[in-house]
Amino acid sequence: GQQLNQSPQSMFIQEGEDVSMNCTSSSIFNTWLWYKQDPGEGPVLLIALYKAGELTSNGRLTAQFGITRKDSFLNISASIPSDVGIYFCAGGDGNSGGSNYKLTFGKGTLLTVNP
Amino acid sequence: DSGVTQTPKHLITATGQRVTLRCSPRSGDLSVYWYQQSLDQGLQFLIQYYNGEERAKGNILERFSAQQFPDLHSELNLSSLELGDSALYFCASSARVSPNSPLHFGNGTRLTVT
Repeated sequence: GQQLNQSPQSMFIQEGEDVSMNCTSSSIFNTWLWYKQDPGEGPVLLIALYKAGELTSNGRLTAQFGITRKDSFLNISASIPSDVGIYFCAGGDGNSGGSNYKLTFGKGTLLTVNP
Repeated sequence: DSGVTQTPKHLITATGQRVTLRCSPRSGDLSVYWYQQSLDQGLQFLIQYYNGEERAKGNILERFSAQQFPDLHSELNLSSLELGDSALYFCASSARVSPNSPLHFGNGTRLTVT
């Protein structure tokens, strides 16, 4: 099946620093999504990307859908302690309106922010 | 709050037993997905339903089954449980089966098999 390589696996940064993480795949995806998971909770959608080359921001978060459709990155600027958590990328494939759309998830990036 | 409700939050049971996990999707969402999350495997797709019909299967064991009812809630049945089935089980819902309809997750059921 399809696999996503998400890196880095973990990051330890100081409050105020910028963060960058990415996902790559050998397969093409139609959508890229970024989720954040806090302990004891389900993943929460941060940003959804629908077109190759698309750059989208959500507050201090910015994500891009790679031109080749095989990768995506997420940047967090001016990190704060509540940014701590696990960040997952997910690639979506299948045709719009069809029955076979599904998401494949990366294994996550654990972010720790030191105050 | 994602609007997706999962019950129970925690479940502890013994090997060989059977359990049922329940999910109520967000209001208006027709599609329900089940995922298993373990430490070493990340989020693994199990099965997907749309408006009562099974649409896609992932890495779901034969001991596991699911269904989506007319009121759109879904249940995941796990039988002949093994220690390795201990994991977080997430339900997610979306409005449609479409790349433009992202998934929203519940807070999961933590299953512990002893």
